[in-house]
Amino acid sequence: DTGVSQNPRHKITKRGQNVTFRCDPISEHNRLYWYRQTLGQGPEFLTYFQNEAQLEKSRLLSDRFSAERPKGSFSTLEIQRTEQGDSAMYLCASSLGLADTQYFGPGTRLTVL
Amino acid sequence: GENVEQHPSTLSVQEGDSAVIKCTYSDSASNYFPWYKQELGKGPQLIIDIRSNVGEKKDQRIAVTLNKTAKHFSLHITETQPEDSAVYFCAAKSGGSYIPTFGRGTSLIVHP
Repeated sequence: DTGVSQNPRHKITKRGQNVTFRCDPISEHNRLYWYRQTLGQGPEFLTYFQNEAQLEKSRLLSDRFSAERPKGSFSTLEIQRTEQGDSAMYLCASSLGLADTQYFGPGTRLTVL
Repeated sequence: GENVEQHPSTLSVQEGDSAVIKCTYSDSASNYFPWYKQELGKGPQLIIDIRSNVGEKKDQRIAVTLNKTAKHFSLHITETQPEDSAVYFCAAKSGGSYIPTFGRGTSLIVHP
């Protein structure tokens, strides 16, 4: 399968713990995006990378959230001191060059107890 | 910023019927309009998209129409099948951005 992959698929954690998610984009896709999706809502933009550079961040991305794409390939999204309000599906997407089409991964479902 | 409204939130049809989902957008600079299908426990999958220089696009049983003047676009699914049951999202993207704004989704239920 050469699509976008995300790990883990599910994560249950206690409030106050740190969690880290990984996204592997489609090979050679230079743009990588992170979204958050809650029940009954569409995906909400968090941040995106062009190669290794983080070019845009949403106001939703509080200072407890950090994302990296160190070598311009896979990306990680870390949430520090998790809160119950962080419970959501975290989606990763990638796109190639200047193309508008984004391809989504299966998501990581986070539950904060 | 862009605001996308999507209706209805739930749509229930009988197998073989047609289904129509409608979206409106606010930013007249938006020029790319994708539609995604999301099945339970999966990520959104692109099913069709349209650009602002085109009024209509078809792909087998799926079609999308765009009215730039009224700033609305619609998804049409003909001859619906139970496997079409899913949540469908519309989105709109401005030409100056790589980030689309998504609607809140329509849960389509196709009864056999």
